[in-house]
Amino acid sequence: DGGITQSPKYLFRKEGQNVTLSCEQNLNHDAMYWYRQDPGQGLRLIYYSQIVNDFQKGDIAEGYSVSREKKESFPLTVTSAQKNPTAFYLCASSSPQLAGEETQYFGPGTRLLVL
Amino acid sequence: SQKIEQNSEALNIQEGKTATLTCNYTNYSPAYLQWYRQDPGRGPVFLLLIRENEKEKRKERLKVTFDTTLKQSLFHITASQPADSATYLCALNRPGTYKYIFGTGTRLKVLA
Repeated sequence: DGGITQSPKYLFRKEGQNVTLSCEQNLNHDAMYWYRQDPGQGLRLIYYSQIVNDFQKGDIAEGYSVSREKKESFPLTVTSAQKNPTAFYLCASSSPQLAGEETQYFGPGTRLLVL
Repeated sequence: SQKIEQNSEALNIQEGKTATLTCNYTNYSPAYLQWYRQDPGRGPVFLLLIRENEKEKRKERLKVTFDTTLKQSLFHITASQPADSATYLCALNRPGTYKYIFGTGTRLKVLA
């Protein structure tokens, strides 16, 4: 089956700890994205990558880091600098043919909670 | 900066009726506008895309309109069913980019 997988489904972080959220896709898409979703707010873009070994900050990149060493994988690290990490994190991918026209395929999400 | 407004209050309608959801935006007019469905605890699923030069798009029981003068998109579900109950998000592309801005979504509940 083609699609996007995210793991784990739930993640608990202790104070001062870095945690990494996994995102893998087998859709052969070039572009991948990380969003954060909080209650009552729209999806906010954290980081995105249009090609391997390249990524750009989104609107709320502070306290997060990413890597894009393989086309299929785009892990997100929530660092201790992110003071309010509790949220639902969504990974997405797309295959842009014309800027803006592509649709995004989302993973099932990871819910991060702070202990 | 671009703002997107979707009705934050839940919309309850009776099964069989047409549900109409609204997406209003300010500032620039996007070239593309998309609608997604999101079920609780899951990722959004793409439904429809409409371009700025299109007034209307249909897919089965779904219809989207795009009025660039009013800066508004309407999303209609005809002959609604309880299975249509979900949150519906609209998203606008940022000009010349691959990035989209998402609204907060409107929760729809179809009553049997």
